[in-house]
Formats: sequence, structure tokens, C-alpha cells
Amino acid sequence: DAGVIQSPRHEVTEMGQEVTLRCKPISGHDYLFWYRQTMMRGLELLIYFNNNVPIDDSGMPEDRFSAKMPNASFSTLKIQPSEPRDSAVYFCASSTYTDTQYFGPGTRLTVL
Amino acid sequence: TQLLEQSPQFLSIQEGENLTVYCNSSSVFSSLQWYRQEPGEGPVLLVTVVTGGEVKKLKRLTFQFGDARKDSSLHITAAQPGDTGLYLCAGARETSGSRLTFGEGTQLTVNP
Repeated sequence: DAGVIQSPRHEVTEMGQEVTLRCKPISGHDYLFWYRQTMMRGLELLIYFNNNVPIDDSGMPEDRFSAKMPNASFSTLKIQPSEPRDSAVYFCASSTYTDTQYFGPGTRLTVL
Repeated sequence: TQLLEQSPQFLSIQEGENLTVYCNSSSVFSSLQWYRQEPGEGPVLLVTVVTGGEVKKLKRLTFQFGDARKDSSLHITAAQPGDTGLYLCAGARETSGSRLTFGEGTQLTVNP
């Protein structure tokens, strides 16, 4: 299997622009997680899905952030409008109903 | 409030030295995992411990889960430059479904 695929790997945008991050989980995995990693706050869970349904979005910072999973092989995390404080590495991870999560390579977002 | 406290945050040692990284909490976890993350990549699972007092070995790495399932340690014997990376502990709680809580990480540098 190719593992979790994320795109883009790097994104540089200006404050106020819309940003869309994409994730393709490992085939057969029914859990999908979005994390954000910064030096200050470490790795934070933003939201996770089970069978394409959002289960826990309590980590989503504010209304500017939204996530969707239209089918079992694709998810998006959207930030609109983006702000400099959103600069971070965003990871997608997937799993079956075990504790083992498989992480993608991440998207490094820089908001100027 | 950080649910999982890791120490030390930074560790720089010489090749061949031994080291121990700690992961502590006041909460009980059903299982605890250790991940290693290298620059530009996502975390990769090293081990999962599920039983209080459990010890697992992975070559030169020894992982221990505390008897009360509130803490864990990672011991590396004769560290090598290839061990350099960010080590993260993550706990799963029975009441949190598939959600993992990550510690802030320990950045280990092994100098040749």
C-alpha cells in the first residue's frame, strides 16, 4: 500500500486566502484523523472521522476551519480565511479500530 | 493543561551513551504508544504497551508501562546517530474512543 497520501506537501499563502489540504487514507481504514503540529503546542488533534462521519471536532480552533470526508478515500481540511497563526504542519492519519495510527508526510503551511 | 508530560524536552548526547525518556500523567490509559518522527515526515509507531508493568524490547530500545498505567518510559542503550529524532508518547483512554492524546515530545540528538 502507498500509505497515507497528503497534498500539497508545502503551501505558502497570504493572509485572508482560502487554503485546502487534502488527504487520501490507507485503503480499508475506517478512521481518519487531522492533526496540527507546532513548536509551541506540539501535536494537536483537530478532528476525526469514522466511516466518513465526523465523530469529534472539539479540537477545531474556530469557525474558519472546516473538514469534510465525502467518501472513504478522500478528506479535506479547509481554512478560510487563513491567518499567520495558522502556520503549522498539518498531518492526516488513518487507522482501523485499533490504536495504531498511520501518519501521512504532512503539509507545511505558511501564511504570510 | 497537558495530559501527558514528557521529559526531557530536549536531549543531546554522544554516540554510545544510554538515555531514558519519560512520559507521565495523572490519568489512566488503556494503552500507550511511542512514536518516532524524523524531520519532514509524520510520526511512525514504534510500540504499543497495554498491560500495567509491561516491558517491550525493540533491539536497543526498551519500553515500559507503569503498573498503574499512568506513565511510561523509553530507554535506549548505546545510542546511535540514527536514533536522532522526535520521540512522542501517546495515550488512549477507554472513554475517548479512537482518540489519542500526544505528549509534547522529546527531541533527541545523538552526536557521532
